[in-house]
Amino acid sequence: GESVGLHLPTLSVQEGDNSIINCAYSNSASDYFIWYKQESGKGPQFIIDIRSNMDKRQGQRVTVLLNKTVKHLSLQIAATQPGDSAVYFCAEKGWQGGKLIFGQGTELSVKP
Amino acid sequence: GAGVSQSPSNKVTEKGKDVELRCDPISGHTALYWYRQSLGQGLEFLIYFQGNSAPDKSGLPSDRFSAERTGGSVSTLTIQRTQQEDSAVYLCASSQRTGAGGLYNEQFFGPGTRLTVL
Repeated sequence: GESVGLHLPTLSVQEGDNSIINCAYSNSASDYFIWYKQESGKGPQFIIDIRSNMDKRQGQRVTVLLNKTVKHLSLQIAATQPGDSAVYFCAEKGWQGGKLIFGQGTELSVKP
Repeated sequence: GAGVSQSPSNKVTEKGKDVELRCDPISGHTALYWYRQSLGQGLEFLIYFQGNSAPDKSGLPSDRFSAERTGGSVSTLTIQRTQQEDSAVYLCASSQRTGAGGLYNEQFFGPGTRLTVL
């Protein structure tokens, strides 16, 4: 069946360093991918998305890379700040409907 | 404007009791979703509503779970005869229409209801 998973459950970085969070997906027919940030006690918050016809998309301090050949997605956060500490989820929108398929999540911890 | 709201924020119940969780989507959003998040896990799709179409119930884990959406706005998720494994955070999201032309519409999440079954 379809699945989206993450390589690392936890990531600890020093403030100011760059962070890279990885995600693998299994459905090559998926058309749309999203990264969400979830802080403790809150719902997931949209960070950035990418469509399958792209391989890179940049936002403010964040970049998402899509490698369809190996079905891999990554989120890069530049100059990581303490406020970036959260759990990050990748999600895939299935072609057959509006539901999102989420990965397990990576907890990012930023040390001051 | 107001985001997605959910109530209650926390619910503690005894095994075997029924619970109702409420979601108020963003005004004008025609699509509404329910997800479940167990401790330390990702989000698991439960059900979604799109306008007047039949809901996609493919993620409901058992027939003890049901949901309705009245008047195309507020939604209620009902869990009957709760079990301890139902303990989780239940998240609601809404978006503008899905389907053709709506694939890329962002889903906005509420803060969730934390359900604890004793």
